Amino acid sequence: SALTQPASVSGSPGQSITISCTGSSSDVGAYNYVSWYQQHPGKAPRLVIYDVTNRPSGVSDRFSGSKSGNTASLTISGLQAEDEADFYCSSYTGSRPPVVFGGGTKLTVL
Amino acid sequence: EVQLVESGGGLVQPGGSLSLSCAASGFTFSTSWMHWVRQAPGKGLVWVSRINTDGSATAYADSVKGRFTISRDNAKNTLFLQMTSLRAEDTAVYYCAKDLSFNQVDHWGQGTLVTVSS
Repeated sequence: SALTQPASVSGSPGQSITISCTGSSSDVGAYNYVSWYQQHPGKAPRLVIYDVTNRPSGVSDRFSGSKSGNTASLTISGLQAEDEADFYCSSYTGSRPPVVFGGGTKLTVL
Repeated sequence: EVQLVESGGGLVQPGGSLSLSCAASGFTFSTSWMHWVRQAPGKGLVWVSRINTDGSATAYADSVKGRFTISRDNAKNTLFLQMTSLRAEDTAVYYCAKDLSFNQVDHWGQGTLVTVSS
């Protein structure tokens, strides 16, 4: 089943926010293959975190990832206006389906 | 630069068929696993299908199993999704996506819209 994310989070410029992604012992809790994607309106998603904590080249170090048990988290520090977007987590499952996504979180920068 | 360019979307009647293509460039296509991911209007991302490097192993979401077929032509650097028995709930933007590792996607196409309606 899909991973659970809050529908929305918000923060002011310069602040930090954290988005949670809760799965189960069959996906998030079992593997360190959690990724996060940022999607601006009308655009394709963009990978911002992979393997729970790793940032692809070109992604700001204001983005960081972590995991505890069955819950993964994405933290964005020093919020900027351009961070406003939808964020999705996903996890490898090792079974069927082989990957699951969260329902998405809308980040609003106040 | 990695580029994934989808084509083939459009309006189709319920029960109809449509074939999507994804032209890949900027990386070694033949050694990359590939995915299709869809997004219904105003909704979240949903994984649809995956194919391994030589096309010998495929996987599908339960919602499309038996109706959709993923395939690839490594000589032409192209990924395909053949969709049959289409339903209104298949209406979505379909993204072609390159696998980084363990079903994590590092590059996405711009998407192609499929609308199933009478």
